[in-house]
Amino acid sequence: IAGITQAPTSQILAAGRRMTLRCTQDMRHNAMYWYRQDLGLGLRLIHYSNTAGTTGKGEVPDGYSVSRANTDDFPLTLASAVPSQTSVYFCASSEGSGGTDTQYFGPGTRLTVL
Amino acid sequence: QKEVEQNSGPLSVPEGAIASLNCTYSDRGSQSFFWYRQYSGKSPELIMSIYSNGDKEDGRFTAQLNKASQYVSLLIRDSQPSDSATYLCAPPGYSSASKIIFGSGTRLSIRP
Repeated sequence: IAGITQAPTSQILAAGRRMTLRCTQDMRHNAMYWYRQDLGLGLRLIHYSNTAGTTGKGEVPDGYSVSRANTDDFPLTLASAVPSQTSVYFCASSEGSGGTDTQYFGPGTRLTVL
Repeated sequence: QKEVEQNSGPLSVPEGAIASLNCTYSDRGSQSFFWYRQYSGKSPELIMSIYSNGDKEDGRFTAQLNKASQYVSLLIRDSQPSDSATYLCAPPGYSSASKIIFGSGTRLSIRP
């Protein structure tokens, strides 16, 4: 593993189903982030974690949950998917917390909710 | 007013010319900025960061920050077809990651 990996690469999901997007980093970064990217709206922060064991809400947290049990992993869960959650999801990490450091992005997960 | 605004483009520039990308922001507390480049279907990657007023040069790229006027720009000299991408402007969240805001990006197209 080098950098940040995300899984799956893409997924088609029926509305109402539960889905977990996985994110793993091997850079020992303290902070991790989840964004969604929709056409014309840019990147919007869903949730973040400044360090293992802590999480916080971003700009668009509703319908999503996260956990940070260890430094490397930061899964994003959609408890009951809705079509408006169709988007490309990016996980990112940075060495420092607070959003002041360079962020390194994973390759993204393209999610379609029908 | 959005917190970070960018012209969505597309901005079309001939190969070899200077491409100028601009970003305005509303939060006077923003002290520094990042410019990310995103190729179609790929993830964003950092190309420049600027922390103080004035210019910062890195190869063909120059970032300019004007805190009084609340704008930051990115100049790309000798534009190449490989520069065709979307460029995202982002002030860091400084005190809190919850304040991270990205601009919606400017799509740049370099025509041969």
